[in-house]
Amino acid sequence: QQQVKQSPQSLIVQKGGISIINCAYENTAFDYFPWYQQFPGKGPALLIAIRPDVSEKKEGRFTISFNKSAKQFSLHIMDSQPGDSATYFCAAPRETGANNLFFGTGTRLTVIP
Amino acid sequence: SQTIHQWPATLVQPVGSPLSLECTVEGTSNPNLYWYRQAAGRGLQLLFYSVGIGQISSEVPQNLSASRPQDRQFILSSKKLLLSDSGFYLCAWSRRYEQYFGPGTRLTVT
Repeated sequence: QQQVKQSPQSLIVQKGGISIINCAYENTAFDYFPWYQQFPGKGPALLIAIRPDVSEKKEGRFTISFNKSAKQFSLHIMDSQPGDSATYFCAAPRETGANNLFFGTGTRLTVIP
Repeated sequence: SQTIHQWPATLVQPVGSPLSLECTVEGTSNPNLYWYRQAAGRGLQLLFYSVGIGQISSEVPQNLSASRPQDRQFILSSKKLLLSDSGFYLCAWSRRYEQYFGPGTRLTVT
């Protein structure tokens, strides 16, 4: 069954440190891998996404690394801040079409001041 | 720009009562629409998706149903709520694989 495995389930990082969240996928309809950020009581917001023509994408302090041969991708948050404390979800396109995504189980990040 | 609305924001309903959650999207046409449920501290479970008016696909058999009466309107319904229906309900729309979520509805079934 197609799925996305996300780790760790929770992460505690000191302010200024690097937060790393990993995801592994099986099969996808298309190489497009987004990351979502969700604050308590809010809907997930698209944070950053990577397409197949690059192995890395950086937007500010957030970087996605993509390893196609290993079927893995990761999110790195540099200089982590308390405001980054949230739950992060990775996702991958499902093979069922309709632009459906398969979401990871989420990582709760806590950045300690 | 595109905006997605959901209402109500919170809802407390007794077991056995009906449910109607509404989602509307502005600023785009013919979007794919989705209903997700998120249990407390858990991931996102896809319930229904729609690629057009009147076209609904169900992911999980349950006592919920969905309808899309207009291009940018998506409704989640139930005739009789169960305790297990409690959760955070999220509507989303997509352009290609980029999905954008609404603010959500917190449903508590008592």
